[in-house]
Amino acid sequence: DQQVKQNSPSLSVQEGRISILNCDYTNSMFDYFLWYKKYPAEGPTFLISISSIKDKNEDGRFTVFLNKSAKHLSLHIVPSQPGDSAVYFCAAIRSGAGSYQLTFGKGTKLSVIP
Amino acid sequence: KAGVTQTPRYLIKTRGQQVTLSCSPISGHRSVSWYQQTPGQGLQFLFEYFSETQRNKGNFPGRFSGRQFSNSRSEMNVSTLELGDSALYLCASSPNSPYEQYFGPGTRLTVT
Repeated sequence: DQQVKQNSPSLSVQEGRISILNCDYTNSMFDYFLWYKKYPAEGPTFLISISSIKDKNEDGRFTVFLNKSAKHLSLHIVPSQPGDSAVYFCAAIRSGAGSYQLTFGKGTKLSVIP
Repeated sequence: KAGVTQTPRYLIKTRGQQVTLSCSPISGHRSVSWYQQTPGQGLQFLFEYFSETQRNKGNFPGRFSGRQFSNSRSEMNVSTLELGDSALYLCASSPNSPYEQYFGPGTRLTVT
């Protein structure tokens, strides 16, 4: 049973436009969410996170939105740049459980076309 | 600070063999977690070690095991390899916060 889902395996966006990556989760115990970016032959690198007590977190060109009632979060990248082309993973964690276990989605491959 | 290092980077093994992968965390980090990445299943949590003790464990068979040394370096062992064990194995270290996990480049294991 996949608790974190990224339903779009891939996304293509023109340079300068907005990229929107979506993620859904089923476990209501998740209370912290993270986005990681992964380039080929490298490990995932942390991008941005959000606690369940917030509905928005912004960091430069990256904004994450959380809709708890819909169990949905999204990552917005504005403006998109060719260097943003990578696989993006959504991850969730149950902070109260004292666990370091990140539950990941399967990723969305973003291609930013110059 | 140097990042998380994993050795070897690439490995080819035969079905039935066993393999040991190594992870050196960022200096000062005491938590090390291991993940398996496959095209079909994505990134899946294997286990996490802190101060030489396994604190959390994912849903993998007992063929997958690990340990952590007093210097926080960690090893992961897979016995009786199966074709389905072919994957990228990632380790992540943390200074003791689940929200701060830094990943290594991974070890690509191919089982033939």
